[in-house]
Amino acid sequence: EAGVVQSPRYKIIEKKQPVAFWCNPISGHNTLYWYLQNLGQGPELLIRYENEEAVDDSQLPKDRFSAERLKGVDSTLKIQPAELGDSAVYLCASSPHSSDTQYFGPGTRLTVL
Amino acid sequence: GENVEQHPSTLSVQEGDSAVIKCTYSDSASNYFPWYKQELGKGPQLIIDIRSNVGEKKDQRIAVTLNKTAKHFSLHITETQPEDSAVYFCAGQRNFNKFYFGSGTKLNVKP
Repeated sequence: EAGVVQSPRYKIIEKKQPVAFWCNPISGHNTLYWYLQNLGQGPELLIRYENEEAVDDSQLPKDRFSAERLKGVDSTLKIQPAELGDSAVYLCASSPHSSDTQYFGPGTRLTVL
Repeated sequence: GENVEQHPSTLSVQEGDSAVIKCTYSDSASNYFPWYKQELGKGPQLIIDIRSNVGEKKDQRIAVTLNKTAKHFSLHITETQPEDSAVYFCAGQRNFNKFYFGSGTKLNVKP
């Protein structure tokens, strides 16, 4: 079984530029999560989807961050414009349902210069 | 909301020794506690989990204990091996809602 796929794995951009991350969850997983992980810290939830519905986006900075999961499968997380403080690893995870184990992708390491 | 604290932040042990990592949580209604292992450049990988109706769970060299009264849970790794070296995260969840992660423990197993 293929795991959670994320791309790109690394991204370097200059501040004020836009950037997008893509995630393909494990087949059949209804719940999809985007996390932010700063160096030396645990993941922090940005947004959680149940199918195509965002059920928890309370921690998503909506002035610059947006996300979508149009068909309830893969998802895109966008930052526009990026700031220096956005440099971090962005992790995607999925689970069959909210009550189940989460499986994480390898993450996208973003560096904003 | 929930607050999960994890200790120690770094742990160094000799190969073959045991390692123990402890987490405390604030929300007494939290009922699911997974542990993740994260190797450099990879995403966290679930290694063991426990639900609030169980006090202990074991899987080969790894075990987790839960004390609901004291609101803490611990990861125990016995007979440590160099490949156990990684960052370990605990997490807590209440009723299928948001997960709260600890800040991580960097485990170094010296050969």
